[in-house]
Parts: sequence; structure tokens; C-alpha cells
Amino acid sequence: SYELTQPPSVSVSPGQTAHITCSGDKLGEKFASWYQQKPGQSPVLVIYQDSKRPSGIPERFSGSNSGNTATLTISGTQAMDEADYYCQAWDSSTYVFGTGTKVTVL
Amino acid sequence: EVQLVESGGGLVQPGGSLRLSCAASGFPFSNYAMHWVRQAPGKGLVWVSRIYSDGNIKGYADSVKGRFTISRDNAKNTLYLQMNSLRAEDTAVYYCARDFSAGDAFDIWGQGTMVTVSS
Repeated sequence: SYELTQPPSVSVSPGQTAHITCSGDKLGEKFASWYQQKPGQSPVLVIYQDSKRPSGIPERFSGSNSGNTATLTISGTQAMDEADYYCQAWDSSTYVFGTGTKVTVL
Repeated sequence: EVQLVESGGGLVQPGGSLRLSCAASGFPFSNYAMHWVRQAPGKGLVWVSRIYSDGNIKGYADSVKGRFTISRDNAKNTLYLQMNSLRAEDTAVYYCARDFSAGDAFDIWGQGTMVTVSS
């Protein structure tokens, strides 16, 4: 079965840039999406089709996808961005989520 | 306001059954494929099942295939998940989510309903 691997944690200082990676076999040939989940809340879609932002998502969230790695970038990170982030892709009629990354804003 | 509201969760014994519901509002429900996604306590997100807009095509994760059945009533704007032969490892918050066909993603999520399988 298809697997997506993320680093368990990423730390970033306020105002700095956070990069969250998601690795999977030939992931660049699929669409990657990203979700933000804060404690006790439902996930929120922040990036779809590798790099597009849904309405209402701040411009500081951006994405890329090439080769075996998709990356979510948070520029000018704010305290409110502290959350768990999950990548997701579709493979062989199955929707796969990444292992999740906890972003801590120090 | 676009909204999904799940219900039907609770405590059930191993081997038991439960039916979850997801009431949709604020958008043309019959135009969208819908999904169930679950999250065990302290764990990550796991896709469970998908149903196309007309209800004719369904898909399941291997872990629930043969035990869970997804369905929908477009006249009632409601999505269902019938869960049979429940196991301890099915314990999770179950979310319904709208299919975002533009990119194989999930753009609207409900608040979730907790299912606990325990004796």
C-alpha cells in the first residue's frame, strides 16, 4: 500500500519560515494536499493540487511537489499556525494521509 | 453556511454495530461525492470510505472492507456509515468530509463523532 512519510515535528521561531516535507514514491506524479489540525478541532484544507490555496487561507501558506517530495511552506509563521499538519494524496482508488507533523512556534 | 454535522457515535461492545449519520447543509449535497475519515485518539488521519454523488460507486479502505457500508440519501441531504463487526481498533473520531473534486482532496469537514469499541 502507498505510504506518505512526514517528520514528526518541526520547530520555527515567530516570523520565520517553516518547511514541512511529505515523502512518497513518485509523489510528484500525483496531486498533494495539506491539512491543518489544531487541538480538539477538525482538519482544515490549506493547500490542494500541490500549490493552490482555498478561499480564506492566508498567502503565507504555499506548496510545491516534485519527484518524491511535496513541501508545505509557511512564511512569516505566526503563533496561530501552531498545529498538526497532514499531507494527503490519492493512489489506486485510495486516499492516503501522511504520518503528520507537529509544528511548534517557539 | 456550508456545514456537516455528524451524529450516532457512542460506546459499543466488540462485535457490535453502529450507524453514523452526517447531515449536510448550505450546499447542493447531491452534486458532491462524500467521504468518511477517522482518527484514533492521539493518532493521525485515516481515510475510511467514499461514495459518489449518485450513490452508485463506493470505495473502502482495506481495514473496513466487508464490515462497513457507506450510503447516502440525497433527498434528506444525509450521509451514512453502517459499521458492523466492530473491533477495538475501530475506536476513533469519525469525520464526514466533502470531496473537493478539483484536487482529490477534502474541503469541508464535520466536527466529528466519537466511536468507542470496548467491553
